[in-house]
Order: sequence, then structure tokens, then C-alpha cells
Amino acid sequence: QKEVEQDPGPLSVPEGAIVSLNCTYSNSAFQYFMWYRQYSRKGPELLMYTYSSGNKEDGRFTAQVDKSSKYISLFIRDSQPSDSATYLCAMDGSARQLTFGSGTQLTVLP
Amino acid sequence: DVKVTQSSRYLVKRTGEKVFLECVQDMDHENMFWYRQDPGLGLRLIYFSYDVKMKEKGDIPEGYSVSREKKERFSLILESASTNQTSMYLCASSLLGGVDEQYFGPGTRLTVT
Repeated sequence: QKEVEQDPGPLSVPEGAIVSLNCTYSNSAFQYFMWYRQYSRKGPELLMYTYSSGNKEDGRFTAQVDKSSKYISLFIRDSQPSDSATYLCAMDGSARQLTFGSGTQLTVLP
Repeated sequence: DVKVTQSSRYLVKRTGEKVFLECVQDMDHENMFWYRQDPGLGLRLIYFSYDVKMKEKGDIPEGYSVSREKKERFSLILESASTNQTSMYLCASSLLGGVDEQYFGPGTRLTVT
């Protein structure tokens, strides 16, 4: 069993839709939770960063962590074609390493 | 802006060749990482380095080695390339440890024939 499982997608939604991207994990030692966004032919870039349980909002993006269920989510409101990318969740359980999910490919149709 | 550059965007090599992938960062970051990215498997850590001449194995180090002679440069070496090493290779750097943001290069698409 992988430490981090992520819905593989691909996910296709119309412009303006609310998007929900999710990851589950098995290692209760994870404390920091991140979402990276990767555009085609580019490296991933950090999008959101949360510590422990709770919600964090940044513009149209909300990151949610439920440690009791070992479940994290990224919500995108009013999705735009420019949001079309692969979204990777990542978690940190040790000093120097991140564990990544496999990524969900999102396409927002105009 | 942090910039992480990789020596090649696309590379085609033959089975058995020795392959060097170079990565350079310009922000004086302590930590550097090599990942490979495969469909359905996500990013998997091959090696990382937290200081010059220091290296640690990641999750999938077999068939790879690394070199960090200077702080800004981290090289990934495939001693004898095999077809199962065909992949996208991503280099990253971060100032601090794992909780710190990692900055990624654009990737090298390696094909081994």
C-alpha cells in the first residue's frame, strides 16, 4: 500500500465549476501538507501549504486537512481554464523528504 | 526568483550507456533532490543532498548515483542505462529541510532505447 493515495483522474470540468481534489494517507506522522501544481512540460510549483488539521484559504483555493481521517482536499472555486494542470499532494514526515501523491490531471473547459 | 535549471529537456540514450543529468540552482539552497516522475506513480525520490559532498538515498536509488561537488550543482548518474530508466527526471532544491518549499527544474525527458 502506498503511503499517499491520490485520485488519478483525469478530471474534466466546465469553467466556473467547483473542483475537489483529494488525497488519503496512511502515515500518522505526517504533519505538513502541501499541494503542488504542475503545468504541462513544467516542473511542479508549490500552491498551498498547511500544517496539521483545519482549513486554509488563498483566493479561489482552499486546502483542507482532516488528520483524524487521514484525508486532505484542495478545493478550487470558480475554476478557470488556466487552472488546467496536474495537482500533486505532498506530505512531510521527516526532516528532509516529501512524499508525493501520483497526481490528478485537471482540465477546465472554456 | 529561484531558478533551477537542468542541462537537457530531452535526451535519448542507448542501453548500457553512462548518462549524466545535471542540475544547477542559483539561490544558494542547502538541499537538492532528484526525482523521477512516471504516470500513475507520481514523483519518487531517487537521491537527495543536504550539503556539499553529502548524499542520502531516497526511495529508489538502485541503478543511480549522484555527485555534489559544489553547492549549486547536483548531478544524477546512470552508470549503465536500462530501458526501465526511461522517465521524466526532475531536480529540485530547497533552502531548509523537507517542510520548506521545493523549487523544481523543468525536467529532463530521458528515453533509453
